[in-house]
Amino acid sequence: RKEVEQDPGPFNVPEGATVAFNCTYSNSASQSFFWYRQDCRKEPKLLMSVYSSGNEDGRFTAQLNRASQYISLLIRDSKLSDSATYLCVVNNFNKFYFGSGTKLNVKP
Amino acid sequence: EAGVVQSPRYKIIEKKQPVAFWCNPISGHNTLYWYRQNLGQGPELLIRYENEEAVDDSQLPKDRFSAERLKGVDSTLKIQPAELGDSAVYLCASSDRDRGQITGNTIYFGEGSWLTVV
Repeated sequence: RKEVEQDPGPFNVPEGATVAFNCTYSNSASQSFFWYRQDCRKEPKLLMSVYSSGNEDGRFTAQLNRASQYISLLIRDSKLSDSATYLCVVNNFNKFYFGSGTKLNVKP
Repeated sequence: EAGVVQSPRYKIIEKKQPVAFWCNPISGHNTLYWYRQNLGQGPELLIRYENEEAVDDSQLPKDRFSAERLKGVDSTLKIQPAELGDSAVYLCASSDRDRGQITGNTIYFGEGSWLTVV
């Protein structure tokens, strides 16, 4: 079983739409959680950390459910520039596990 | 502050030839990672260093891959001999422990070294 699992998509949405991504992780002892964004032929870059209390950064909201071992990312008012692959990342004692990524296409 | 620096950016080699990738992590970052990413997949860890010590190399194919991190700063990843299936992006990353804590630190990537084996 993979450490982190995500729906690969693609999610094709119009500008202005709200879209949500989910991922699950297998190790209940995992300590910290992140969403990374990866543009085509670029390196992954940190989008935001994920906390149990939920956290928001502008149009982006991340949520962690430790009981269900489930992480989510919500993007409101999608922009064309949000088109990318979103990687769910789990940290277990300084070892970072990446999901395969969910591809988002925002269309005019 | 300079980010993680990798070279070369692109490399095309024939199978059975050797190749080496170099990485300079963010200044002060104790932990250095080498990941491999295939098309449509997430990065997969090859090896992790804490300072100069390789603390996790369980996913490194040791018959053909080797790595070193002399003096706990720069690192080199070598493949010899390369096979067709080694074509991928090799990503170097680094992180630092926040005030000695294990949690809460994040990982920063270099631009990657794109390898094509023909």
